[in-house]
Amino acid sequence: LAKTTQPISMDSYEGQEVNITCSHNNIATNDYITWYQQFPSQGPRFIIQGYKTKVTNEVASLFIPADRKSSTLSLPRVSLSDTAVYYCLVGLMNRDDKIIFGKGTRLHILP
Amino acid sequence: DTGVSQDPRHKITKRGQNVTFRCDPISEHNRLYWYRQTLGQGPEFLTYFQNEAQLEKSRLLSDRFSAERPKGSFSTLEIQRTEQGDSAMYLCASSLNGADTQYFGPGTRLTVL
Repeated sequence: LAKTTQPISMDSYEGQEVNITCSHNNIATNDYITWYQQFPSQGPRFIIQGYKTKVTNEVASLFIPADRKSSTLSLPRVSLSDTAVYYCLVGLMNRDDKIIFGKGTRLHILP
Repeated sequence: DTGVSQDPRHKITKRGQNVTFRCDPISEHNRLYWYRQTLGQGPEFLTYFQNEAQLEKSRLLSDRFSAERPKGSFSTLEIQRTEQGDSAMYLCASSLNGADTQYFGPGTRLTVL
Protein backbone atom coordinates (compact mmCIF):
# COMPACT_ATOMS: atom_id res chain seq x y z
CA LEU A 1 0.00 0.00 0.00
CA ALA A 2 1.16 3.53 -0.77
CA LYS A 3 2.38 5.46 2.27
CA THR A 4 0.33 8.49 3.26
CA THR A 5 1.27 11.69 5.04
CA GLN A 6 -1.28 13.92 6.76
CA PRO A 7 -1.11 16.63 9.40
CA ILE A 8 -0.96 15.35 12.95
CA SER A 9 -3.60 17.78 14.16
CA MET A 10 -5.82 20.68 13.09
CA ASP A 11 -8.07 23.14 14.87
CA SER A 12 -11.08 24.93 13.41
CA TYR A 13 -14.25 26.65 14.52
CA GLU A 14 -17.87 25.69 14.28
CA GLY A 15 -19.48 26.64 10.99
CA GLN A 16 -16.20 26.72 9.09
CA GLU A 17 -15.22 24.51 6.18
CA VAL A 18 -12.34 22.22 7.05
CA ASN A 19 -9.94 20.79 4.50
CA ILE A 20 -7.55 17.99 5.44
CA THR A 21 -4.91 17.18 2.86
CA CYS A 22 -3.22 13.83 2.51
CA SER A 23 -0.05 13.24 0.46
CA HIS A 24 0.45 9.91 -1.29
CA ASN A 25 3.29 10.41 -3.75
CA ASN A 26 3.70 6.70 -4.50
CA ILE A 27 0.07 6.01 -5.33
CA ALA A 28 -0.29 3.26 -7.92
CA THR A 29 -2.49 3.37 -10.98
CA ASN A 30 -5.17 1.11 -9.51
CA ASP A 31 -5.16 2.55 -5.99
CA TYR A 32 -8.26 4.17 -4.52
CA ILE A 33 -8.26 6.80 -1.78
CA THR A 34 -10.43 6.20 1.27
CA TRP A 35 -11.09 8.28 4.37
CA TYR A 36 -12.25 7.01 7.75
CA GLN A 37 -13.39 8.97 10.81
CA GLN A 38 -12.89 7.78 14.37
CA PHE A 39 -14.42 9.16 17.55
CA PRO A 40 -12.92 8.37 20.97
CA SER A 41 -13.72 4.87 22.18
CA GLN A 42 -15.36 3.92 18.89
CA GLY A 43 -14.27 2.02 15.81
CA PRO A 44 -13.39 3.88 12.59
CA ARG A 45 -16.27 4.81 10.34
CA PHE A 46 -16.07 4.97 6.53
CA ILE A 47 -16.59 8.51 5.22
CA ILE A 48 -15.80 8.64 1.54
CA GLN A 49 -13.80 7.00 -1.23
CA GLY A 50 -12.62 8.16 -4.63
CA TYR A 51 -10.30 7.48 -7.53
CA LYS A 52 -10.00 10.83 -9.32
CA THR A 53 -11.49 14.33 -9.61
CA LYS A 54 -14.24 14.94 -7.08
CA VAL A 55 -16.56 12.79 -5.05
CA THR A 56 -19.31 14.14 -2.81
CA ASN A 57 -21.69 12.47 -0.40
CA GLU A 58 -23.93 13.65 2.41
CA VAL A 59 -21.00 13.92 4.81
CA ALA A 60 -18.01 15.21 2.88
CA SER A 61 -16.31 15.91 -0.42
CA LEU A 62 -13.08 14.42 -1.67
CA PHE A 63 -10.93 16.34 -4.12
CA ILE A 64 -8.25 14.51 -6.08
CA PRO A 65 -5.99 16.39 -8.51
CA ALA A 66 -5.03 14.98 -11.87
CA ASP A 67 -1.68 13.59 -10.70
CA ARG A 68 -3.40 11.86 -7.73
CA LYS A 69 -0.38 12.42 -5.52
CA SER A 70 -2.52 14.09 -2.90
CA SER A 71 -6.16 14.33 -1.91
CA THR A 72 -8.22 16.71 0.21
CA LEU A 73 -11.09 15.77 2.45
CA SER A 74 -13.49 18.69 2.78
CA LEU A 75 -15.97 18.90 5.64
CA PRO A 76 -18.52 21.68 5.12
CA ARG A 77 -19.74 23.77 8.06
CA VAL A 78 -18.24 21.66 10.81
CA SER A 79 -19.81 21.33 14.23
CA LEU A 80 -18.39 20.28 17.59
CA SER A 81 -19.43 16.71 16.83
CA ASP A 82 -16.94 16.57 13.95
CA THR A 83 -14.10 16.52 16.46
CA ALA A 84 -12.44 13.21 15.68
CA VAL A 85 -9.41 11.55 14.11
CA TYR A 86 -9.49 11.32 10.32
CA TYR A 87 -7.49 8.64 8.49
CA CYS A 88 -6.46 8.74 4.85
CA LEU A 89 -5.83 5.33 3.27
CA VAL A 90 -4.63 4.41 -0.17
CA GLY A 91 -4.90 0.99 -1.70
CA LEU A 92 -6.52 -1.32 -4.13
CA MET A 93 -10.22 -1.90 -3.92
CA ASN A 94 -10.43 -4.41 -6.71
CA ARG A 95 -8.66 -7.17 -4.90
CA ASP A 96 -8.20 -8.47 -1.41
CA ASP A 97 -6.40 -5.91 0.65
CA LYS A 98 -6.06 -5.30 4.33
CA ILE A 99 -6.32 -1.74 5.50
CA ILE A 100 -3.17 -0.11 6.87
CA PHE A 101 -3.84 2.91 9.03
CA GLY A 102 -1.39 5.73 9.77
CA LYS A 103 -1.69 7.99 12.79
CA GLY A 104 -4.39 10.12 11.21
CA THR A 105 -5.26 13.79 11.70
CA ARG A 106 -6.75 14.87 15.01
CA LEU A 107 -9.35 17.50 14.17
CA HIS A 108 -10.49 19.68 17.06
CA ILE A 109 -13.52 21.90 16.50
CA LEU A 110 -13.79 24.90 18.78
CA PRO A 111 -17.02 26.73 19.65
CA ASP B 1 -24.30 1.70 14.97
CA THR B 2 -22.65 -0.11 12.06
CA GLY B 3 -24.24 -3.48 12.78
CA VAL B 4 -21.00 -5.00 14.05
CA SER B 5 -21.11 -5.77 17.75
CA GLN B 6 -18.33 -6.67 20.16
CA ASP B 7 -18.46 -8.10 23.64
CA PRO B 8 -17.37 -7.15 26.20
CA ARG B 9 -16.81 -3.44 25.68
CA HIS B 10 -14.32 -3.30 28.52
CA LYS B 11 -12.18 -5.95 30.16
CA ILE B 12 -9.79 -5.55 33.07
CA THR B 13 -7.62 -8.50 33.89
CA LYS B 14 -4.49 -9.37 35.79
CA ARG B 15 -1.26 -10.24 34.06
CA GLY B 16 -1.08 -13.93 33.25
CA GLN B 17 -4.82 -14.45 32.90
CA ASN B 18 -6.54 -15.55 29.70
CA VAL B 19 -9.18 -13.39 28.05
CA THR B 20 -11.60 -13.97 25.19
CA PHE B 21 -13.40 -11.39 23.09
CA ARG B 22 -16.33 -11.93 20.78
CA CYS B 23 -17.28 -10.20 17.55
CA ASP B 24 -20.60 -10.51 15.72
CA PRO B 25 -20.28 -9.18 12.17
CA ILE B 26 -23.01 -7.96 9.87
CA SER B 27 -24.87 -11.15 9.07
CA GLU B 28 -24.26 -11.44 5.33
CA HIS B 29 -20.61 -10.37 5.48
CA ASN B 30 -18.08 -13.01 4.49
CA ARG B 31 -14.98 -11.20 5.70
CA LEU B 32 -14.10 -10.55 9.31
CA TYR B 33 -11.03 -8.65 10.50
CA TRP B 34 -9.37 -8.09 13.85
CA TYR B 35 -7.28 -5.00 14.62
CA ARG B 36 -5.49 -3.69 17.68
CA GLN B 37 -5.24 0.00 18.52
CA THR B 38 -3.08 1.63 21.18
CA LEU B 39 -3.39 5.19 22.38
CA GLY B 40 -2.49 7.78 19.76
CA GLN B 41 -1.99 5.22 17.01
CA GLY B 42 -4.12 4.04 14.16
CA PRO B 43 -5.54 0.51 14.19
CA GLU B 44 -3.05 -2.26 13.35
CA PHE B 45 -4.14 -5.31 11.41
CA LEU B 46 -4.00 -8.63 13.30
CA THR B 47 -5.80 -11.25 11.25
CA TYR B 48 -8.75 -11.85 8.96
CA PHE B 49 -11.20 -14.58 7.98
CA GLN B 50 -12.98 -15.40 4.76
CA ASN B 51 -16.01 -17.24 6.09
CA GLU B 52 -14.54 -19.75 8.55
CA ALA B 53 -11.05 -19.82 7.05
CA GLN B 54 -8.32 -17.73 8.67
CA LEU B 55 -6.39 -16.43 5.68
CA GLU B 56 -3.73 -14.14 7.09
CA LYS B 57 -2.07 -13.42 10.41
CA SER B 58 0.09 -10.43 11.19
CA ARG B 59 3.49 -10.81 12.81
CA LEU B 60 1.91 -8.85 15.66
CA LEU B 61 -0.17 -11.93 16.46
CA SER B 62 2.11 -13.87 18.79
CA ASP B 63 1.57 -17.49 19.77
CA ARG B 64 -0.44 -16.30 22.77
CA PHE B 65 -3.14 -15.00 20.44
CA SER B 66 -5.64 -17.22 18.70
CA ALA B 67 -8.71 -16.38 16.68
CA GLU B 68 -11.54 -18.53 15.43
CA ARG B 69 -14.64 -18.08 13.34
CA PRO B 70 -16.63 -21.29 13.58
CA LYS B 71 -19.32 -21.68 10.95
CA GLY B 72 -18.29 -18.38 9.41
CA SER B 73 -20.47 -16.31 11.70
CA PHE B 74 -19.21 -14.76 14.93
CA SER B 75 -15.53 -14.74 15.80
CA THR B 76 -13.55 -14.98 19.01
CA LEU B 77 -10.11 -13.63 19.81
CA GLU B 78 -8.35 -15.23 22.76
CA ILE B 79 -5.23 -13.95 24.46
CA GLN B 80 -3.46 -16.38 26.74
CA ARG B 81 -1.13 -15.39 29.58
CA THR B 82 -1.87 -11.69 29.11
CA GLU B 83 0.92 -9.16 29.45
CA GLN B 84 0.73 -5.46 30.21
CA GLY B 85 1.74 -4.75 26.63
CA ASP B 86 -1.49 -6.37 25.48
CA SER B 87 -3.46 -3.44 26.89
CA ALA B 88 -5.19 -1.88 23.91
CA MET B 89 -8.48 -1.50 22.07
CA TYR B 90 -9.30 -4.59 20.03
CA LEU B 91 -11.42 -3.79 17.01
CA CYS B 92 -13.41 -6.08 14.79
CA ALA B 93 -14.56 -5.20 11.29
CA SER B 94 -16.53 -6.99 8.62
CA SER B 95 -17.06 -6.57 4.92
CA LEU B 96 -19.15 -8.28 2.31
CA ASN B 97 -16.07 -9.36 0.40
CA GLY B 98 -12.38 -8.54 0.39
CA ALA B 99 -12.57 -5.43 -1.75
CA ASP B 100 -15.56 -3.90 0.00
CA THR B 101 -15.83 -1.23 2.67
CA GLN B 102 -15.02 -2.47 6.15
CA TYR B 103 -17.50 -1.72 8.92
CA PHE B 104 -16.02 -1.55 12.38
CA GLY B 105 -17.49 -2.50 15.72
CA PRO B 106 -17.17 -0.36 18.86
CA GLY B 107 -14.15 -2.30 20.10
CA THR B 108 -13.19 -4.04 23.32
CA ARG B 109 -10.85 -2.10 25.56
CA LEU B 110 -8.48 -4.41 27.41
CA THR B 111 -6.54 -3.29 30.45
CA VAL B 112 -3.95 -5.68 31.86
CA LEU B 113 -2.87 -4.85 35.40
